[in-house]
Amino acid sequence: NAGVTQTPKFQVLKTGQSMTLQCAQDMNHNSMYWYRQDPGMGLRLIYYSASEGTTDKGEVPNGYNVSRLNKREFSLRLESAAPSQTSVYFCASSDPGRSQYFGAGTRLSVL
Amino acid sequence: GQQLNQSPQSMFIQEGEDVSMNCTSSSIFNTWLWYKQDPGEGPVLLIALYKAGELTSNGRLTAQFGTTRKDSFLNISASIPSDVGIYFCAGQMGGADGLTFGKGTHLIIQP
Repeated sequence: NAGVTQTPKFQVLKTGQSMTLQCAQDMNHNSMYWYRQDPGMGLRLIYYSASEGTTDKGEVPNGYNVSRLNKREFSLRLESAAPSQTSVYFCASSDPGRSQYFGAGTRLSVL
Repeated sequence: GQQLNQSPQSMFIQEGEDVSMNCTSSSIFNTWLWYKQDPGEGPVLLIALYKAGELTSNGRLTAQFGTTRKDSFLNISASIPSDVGIYFCAGQMGGADGLTFGKGTHLIIQP
């Protein structure tokens, strides 16, 4: 009954460090998404993958890269972290035109 | 980027009262979703609406997809302490598009 699993749950980075956030879903969904949530804000779309083998930019893609490793896994990479990327990151999955289901989030601080 | 206008920003109510919140958009959406987020958790889907004019219930929750496709509301009847949290509306254009979120309604229940 896992749904969408994100790792790690917490991470602290120094400015300029790199890291990859991992996301896996076990619902056999075709589409996967990465969002960020800043204090007092709704979630904003960073990147998404409509299906295995495709990725597209969302509203706030600058400073991020993604990889759709297979149908289950979709990773988000920060090549050179900046303080402005301090946020909570959520992964979601769905079938096209249907509801998106979210993971518990990764809380990232960049010092 | 596109924004959804969600109101009210916060609500202070007594246990047992009914709650109403709404979202409006300048653009048309083909799907409206309502999520609840508890502290430290990811958004959890409450209700999904797929047709203009649709009225859907989930226990004490009722949501409607506006006929213009530019708005939606969520009602909670007879509130209980576990209803405390942040409620988000989200709209989707269609297919595998990402979601556009409102900024949330923070529901606080006074004993």
